[in-house]
Amino acid sequence: QVQLVESGGGVVQPGRSLRLSCVASGFTFRNYGMHWVRQAPGKGLDWVGRISYDGSNIYYRDSVKGRFTLSRDNSKNTLYLQMNNVRSDDTAVYYCARFGPSGLDVWGQGTTVMVSS
Amino acid sequence: QSVLTQPPSVSAAPGQKVTISCSGSSSNIESNAVTWYQQFPGTAPKFLIYEDTKRPSGIPDRFSGSKSGTSATLAITGLQTGDEADYYCGTWDNSLSAEVFGTGTKVTVL
Repeated sequence: QVQLVESGGGVVQPGRSLRLSCVASGFTFRNYGMHWVRQAPGKGLDWVGRISYDGSNIYYRDSVKGRFTLSRDNSKNTLYLQMNNVRSDDTAVYYCARFGPSGLDVWGQGTTVMVSS
Repeated sequence: QSVLTQPPSVSAAPGQKVTISCSGSSSNIESNAVTWYQQFPGTAPKFLIYEDTKRPSGIPDRFSGSKSGTSATLAITGLQTGDEADYYCGTWDNSLSAEVFGTGTKVTVL
């Protein structure tokens, strides 16, 4: 079945780095753009960034520009989110989501990132 | 803060109808398709309505979407206890070059 599985979350100190991964299965990964969306505890959905099917176009929310990097390896059906210089307000559950023809139609279960000293 | 505004909560008795508004602007809702997501506590969001009005397979016709100008609306008829969840609207914003989500609405069945 169509599935996205995130990993890589954990507790990280402010200013350090973390890399999240999202492995896709059940569909042709290389044909789809992908998004990262995060949700802080008790808060709403916050978009992080989007990468096109071939990685040639990438967009970020302003607060992560210059700190976070989206990338993908279509040979491994994997999406990445490299998080550098993390801050306390980066604490959240991070979801990867498939960018279908009309919206984010498939979501992973999420991986939790806690930024704490 | 979120670009799209939703009411924090709505409620109704079982079998009744609720509507959730999503207010935006010409650079987002008016220009692009709106998607609605349903989220139960502790779980990932679920694709509920796309292209303003369409339902993915498996979504009951009790859920419907509409759009007019810079606002979109999600309606839930025949409300059931299993509909208690948070609901979010989302779309692309051409000015921000960013995906934007609504502030979220909690639906309570009385």
